[in-house]
Amino acid sequence: AQSVAQPEDQVNVAEGNPLTVKCTYSVSGNPYLFWYVQYPNRGLQFLLKYITGDNLVKGSYGFEAEFNKSQTSFHLKKPSALVSDSALYFCAVRDIEAAGNKLTFGGGTRVLVKP
Amino acid sequence: KAGVTQTPRYLIKTRGQQVTLSCSPISGHRSVSWYQQTPGQGLQFLFEYFSETQRNKGNFPGRFSGRQFSNSRSEMNVSTLELGDSALYLCASSLRTDRTSEAFFGQGTRLTVV
Repeated sequence: AQSVAQPEDQVNVAEGNPLTVKCTYSVSGNPYLFWYVQYPNRGLQFLLKYITGDNLVKGSYGFEAEFNKSQTSFHLKKPSALVSDSALYFCAVRDIEAAGNKLTFGGGTRVLVKP
Repeated sequence: KAGVTQTPRYLIKTRGQQVTLSCSPISGHRSVSWYQQTPGQGLQFLFEYFSETQRNKGNFPGRFSGRQFSNSRSEMNVSTLELGDSALYLCASSLRTDRTSEAFFGQGTRLTVV
C-alpha cells in the first residue's frame, strides 16, 4: 500500500526567507509524486510533479521540489516566500505499479508567511 | 478553457437523507476521480471513473456510489447520510490514464449533514 507523510502540521516563515515543506512517501514500486496547494474554500491547485529524470523539479509560482530516492523524500521549496504563499500544501503519490489514477495524499502542511 | 465544475457548491442535508453531487470535467478529460476531505481524515480517495467504468474504489461503505456518463460528466451519490459524511467533496479530472498526468480539481461541494 502507498502512503505519504508530511511531518509538520504547520510551517511558519518570514516573508523573503526560504520555505521548505517536507514530504516522505512509501510505495511498493516507483512513484509519481505531486504537490498541490489549497487556498481557503477552494479546490487543490497543481504545483509540480516528479515522473522521471532530473531530481530537481521546477513548478508554478517559483516553487521547486527535490526527489530523493534513497530517503524516499520529495520536499517542496521556495527560495523567497511571499505572504500570498500562505496556504495548505499537500504532497501526493501515485504508485506506477498500481492501476488507475488514484492519488494518496499526505495530511497537509499549513504554511504561514508573516510580513 | 473551463476548469472542473462541481455543483452545487454548498449543501445542507438531514441525517438519513440522500444526496447527489455533480462534476463536469475539463473538456477532453475522460478520467474523473472523487475525494473526501475532512479535518480529521484529510483527503481520502473515493473512486475513479474512466469511460463510464469504475476503475478504482477507495475504502468507503456502499452508501457511497458514483457513475459517469458518456460525456464524461460524473455524479456521486451518498445514501442514508450520517453526521460523519459532512465534508468537502472534491472531483478531479485527468487527461489520460497512464498515471503521469496531473489531476485538476474542482472547487468542491461542501456537504453539511445536520
